[in-house]
Amino acid sequence: KAGVTQTPRYLIKTRGQQVTLSCSPISGHRSVSWYQQTPGQGLQFLFEYFSETQRNKGNFPGRFSGRQFSNSRSEMNVSTLELGDSALYLCASSFVGYGYTFGSGTRLTVV
Amino acid sequence: GESVGLHLPTLSVQEGDNSIINCAYSNSASDYFIWYKQESGKGPQFIIDIRSNMDKRQGQRVTVLLNKTVKHLSLQIAATQPGDSAVYFCAETGEDSGGGADGLTFGKGTHLIIQP
Repeated sequence: KAGVTQTPRYLIKTRGQQVTLSCSPISGHRSVSWYQQTPGQGLQFLFEYFSETQRNKGNFPGRFSGRQFSNSRSEMNVSTLELGDSALYLCASSFVGYGYTFGSGTRLTVV
Repeated sequence: GESVGLHLPTLSVQEGDNSIINCAYSNSASDYFIWYKQESGKGPQFIIDIRSNMDKRQGQRVTVLLNKTVKHLSLQIAATQPGDSAVYFCAETGEDSGGGADGLTFGKGTHLIIQP
């Protein structure tokens, strides 16, 4: 059974640009959640999608957004990038809120 | 806000010894807890989970204990091996009223170092 796939693995962007990250969950999982990991703040919850609907959102500015498609694949977008957005972005898929499985993440560097 | 935390940022143990990693949580509404292992450059790897209606759950070489009275979670690793070196995170969540997931709240992590 394939795991959670995140693309791309690495990204370098310039301040002010926008970026879109992709996450394909485990087959049959309808819930996808996103997290930001930095050395200073640790792992922080961004948002969670279930059946194409955002169910919960963490404490992040509106520049961070996401969506989920009918096949449960999810994307997150960060607009007007700032240096502080440099982080490892992780997504996790779960089956109705249990057994969260993470992908390898996308390492975003903003220069 | 409410958060899940770990007591020690670093834990050093001898190879072959048992390791115990602790975590305190503050959200009494949490009903599902997970331990993750994260190695450098990788995403968190699921180790073991426990629901709030249980006190103990065992896996292969790992045991999770949950004490709801004092809101404390621990991970015990038996016969620690070099491959156990990693950062360990506890995480908690609760099911929202609509049946969806709240997302995970993580502790800050404990770096487990295995001494030869």
